[in-house]
Parts: sequence; structure tokens; C-alpha cells
Amino acid sequence: DIVMTQTPLSLSVTPGQPASISCMSSESLLYSNGKTYLYWYLQKPGQSPQLLIYEVSNRFSGVPDRFSGSGSGTDFTLKISRVEAEDAGIYYCMQSIHLPITFGQGTRLEIK
Amino acid sequence: EVQLVESGGGLVQPGGSLRLSCAASGFTFSDYWMHWVRQTPGKGLVWWVSRVSRDGSGTNYADSVKGRFTISRDNAKNTVYLELNSLRAEDTAIYYCVRGTEGPRDQWGQGTLVTV
Repeated sequence: DIVMTQTPLSLSVTPGQPASISCMSSESLLYSNGKTYLYWYLQKPGQSPQLLIYEVSNRFSGVPDRFSGSGSGTDFTLKISRVEAEDAGIYYCMQSIHLPITFGQGTRLEIK
Repeated sequence: EVQLVESGGGLVQPGGSLRLSCAASGFTFSDYWMHWVRQTPGKGLVWWVSRVSRDGSGTNYADSVKGRFTISRDNAKNTVYLELNSLRAEDTAIYYCVRGTEGPRDQWGQGTLVTV
């Protein structure tokens, strides 16, 4: 199974400041079609996970442009340029290149 | 509006069974693979459970549930099912259905809690 490792597991950020979350996979997520199957989700308190970023760097519809994804191969990053109060929650990365589909353990973002 | 509504969760004894349903609306159901993903209480770890192809002919399972859980779909009813048998304490989780392609994607239901 592909292991997804997120760091840090928690962070506390002042509104207006940047935040960054790392996700490392135990195998490359680059498929032969040139796509990299790495996704980012945010689960706000009391809600289901919501898609933020697909295929490393593509913002899903309606996601603010302060969110950006980058990386390649096995090393990926989600960045929030200026954190807002509504960004609080748990962030998960996910890979779907190989079964079983696997998720990172989650990074809890607290807003100071 | 795209909606996924799960039902069928509840409290069950070890070794028991449940059938989860997920009713879809607001999109062409047969255009999408459907997945079940579960989230453990407490630590909130997220685990993929199973998927079914657009026409229902292809299914896959996590090793931890293979032989015990069965996924199926009824495109005429816009519903995906997950039959849970031989339940164990470690199956306790919130179960979400998720719309997707070969992988989960953009729409998650609100979840249904299974407690074993």
C-alpha cells in the first residue's frame, strides 16, 4: 500500500499569515498518462471532507485562490497564502494512482 | 444541486450485518464511479473501503473488508449500496459515499455512523 505522510500534524496560524502542509508518498504518484493523482481535502468541523485541489495543483471550483498545491513524484505541498478564520479544520492528502486508495493522517489547522 | 444522502447506519453486535444506502440526486449517476470511504471516530483517520464502476460490473475492496463487505449500485434508482457482514469492532466508523472516477473526487455525502 502507498503510505501518505503529512507534516506537521497540527499547526496554529494567525489570520493573514501563510500556512504550508507537506504530504509525502511512499511511491511516485505519476501515472503513465502524465497525470499525478494527488488530491487535497479540507474537513471543517462537523462537515464532510471537501475537495480543494486535484491532480497536485488544480483548484476545484469555488476554492479561493489563496489555496495552492505544488509538487511532483512523491513530495507535495499545500499552501495557504493568507489564512482566514474559515480555513480551520483538518486537511488530508489522498492518492488514487494505486489501490487501495490511501489518505494521509490529517493536519489540523487552528486559527489563533 | 448535487446531493448524496447516506442511510442505514446504526448500532450492531459483532458478527452482525447492516446495509448502507446512498441516494444520489442532481447529476447523472451512471456517469460516475461511486466509492465508500470511512472515518474512524476519535483520531479521524480516513480509509477507502470500496468502489463500483459506472455500470456496476467492476468492484474493488480494501483488504480489511474483502469477503465481508459487498458494494453494488442500482442506476435506475440512483443508489449505491454497501452490504456489511461479519462486522467487527474495528469497522466502527462514519461511512461516506463519494462520487468520483476511478478515485474519489468532489462530492461526499454527510455520512452514516456504524457502531459495532
